[in-house]
Amino acid sequence: TAGITQAPTSQILAAGRSMTLRCTQDMRHNAMYWYRQDLGLGLRLIHYSNTAGTTGKGEVPDGYSVSRANTDDFPLTLASAVPSQTSVYFCASSDGQGRDTQYFGPGTRLTVL
Amino acid sequence: GQNIDQPTEMTATEGAIVQINCTYQTSGFNGLFWYQQHAGEAPTFLSYNVLDGLEEKGRFSSFLSRSKGYSYLLLKELQMKDSASYLCAVMDSNYQLIWGAGTKLIIKP
Repeated sequence: TAGITQAPTSQILAAGRSMTLRCTQDMRHNAMYWYRQDLGLGLRLIHYSNTAGTTGKGEVPDGYSVSRANTDDFPLTLASAVPSQTSVYFCASSDGQGRDTQYFGPGTRLTVL
Repeated sequence: GQNIDQPTEMTATEGAIVQINCTYQTSGFNGLFWYQQHAGEAPTFLSYNVLDGLEEKGRFSSFLSRSKGYSYLLLKELQMKDSASYLCAVMDSNYQLIWGAGTKLIIKP
C-alpha cells in the first residue's frame, strides 16, 4: 500500500497567492494531522482531524485552513501566503485518537517569496 | 509551558554505542515516542514508552522515567545508515504530540 501521499513535492509560491497542499492516506486511519517543520524547531501542529467531518486547531493554525470531507483526504489551504509560511509541511495519520503511532507522508517543501 | 529538550547534535563512531537524552515538561503525559528522520525524508516511528523502564527492539532501546521527566534512546552497533535526526515527542493530556527539535546524529567511520 502507498500509505500516505502528499502533493506537490515542492512548490515556490508568490506572496499573496493561495495554495492547497494535498494529503491522501489509504490506511483507513481515523485521525489525520498537518505539521510544519522549521530548522531548529520541533514539528508544530497546524490542524488536526480526529475523524471525517471534524477538524481542530493545533499550535500554529493562523493563515491555514483544512477540511475533512472523507476518511482518506485532508487538504491544507493557505488562503494568502506569506514568507513566514516557508517551511516543510508533513501530513500524518493515526488509527484513532489516543496513544496511537502517527505515520508521516513524504512532505511538501514550500517556499513563499 | 510545554517543553522538550534534547541535544542539538551528537557524533559517534561506527560500531560504537550512543545514548540520546530527552527531558520533558508537559501538561499531562500519555506516552513518549522516538522517531528517526533522515535528511529530506519523513519521520519514521522507532519506539513508544508509557511505563517506566527499558523497551528493547533490536539494536535500539528506549528508556523512560516518568518521575524524572526523562527518556533516552540507546543505539548499539552503530552503522553509517544510522546517521539521521532523532526526534523525541511526548503525548500530552489532549493526546497531542509535543515535539523536541531533534538530535542530529553523525556517524564517523
